Amino acid sequence: DVKVTQSSRYLVKRTGEKVFLECVQDMDHENMFWYRQDPGLGLRLIYFSYDVKMKEKGDIPEGYSVSREKKERFSLILESASTNQTSMYLCASSLWSATNEKLFFGSGTQLSVL
Amino acid sequence: EDKVVQSPLSLVVHEGDTVTLNCSYEVTNFRSLLWYKQEKKAPTFLFMLTSSGIEKKSGRLSSILDKKELFSILNITATQTGDSAIYLCAAPSAGSYQLTFGKGTKLSVIP
Repeated sequence: DVKVTQSSRYLVKRTGEKVFLECVQDMDHENMFWYRQDPGLGLRLIYFSYDVKMKEKGDIPEGYSVSREKKERFSLILESASTNQTSMYLCASSLWSATNEKLFFGSGTQLSVL
Repeated sequence: EDKVVQSPLSLVVHEGDTVTLNCSYEVTNFRSLLWYKQEKKAPTFLFMLTSSGIEKKSGRLSSILDKKELFSILNITATQTGDSAIYLCAAPSAGSYQLTFGKGTKLSVIP
């Protein structure tokens, strides 16, 4: 079974802190994604990566950056956390294939910024 | 801009009822539509639909796609409390591997 592991299930941080959310997948997938999920807004794409060191902005990249130094690991960085970044963050991965868009998700990190 | 719209946004039913969840889409160069179930944690894959009119089935869940009218439905028969979840519909964006998600339908099944 594909496993996508997010390092923390719950995280509480203070405004202005630098926050790292880590995601690791074990299926050698090329594509990795970071989404945030908010009530009434659904899942919104922050960034994605289709290869090591490659990244693309999603719909809401402001206030975030990402790092993909190894194929299996994709990190989301909040340079200076703000209260409006309190949210559920979901990492996902998928194969690089024109006929297979199926995403595999991690269990999510519920981030609270105080 | 690609768009996926789900309805209703929330639904409360009794055990044993049959429910239909709706998903309409406007996606350039449509390739597929996916359904996911999300309980407390990670969304889990249910179905991927690419061809119009062909029903996909898994136990009490089934889904069908209408490419002419640009929508899909997810049916759940004989609902159980374990079906309580958020059901997400998504479609890949044109020329990309990112998915555009609908806002989800929150289904609550009460005994």
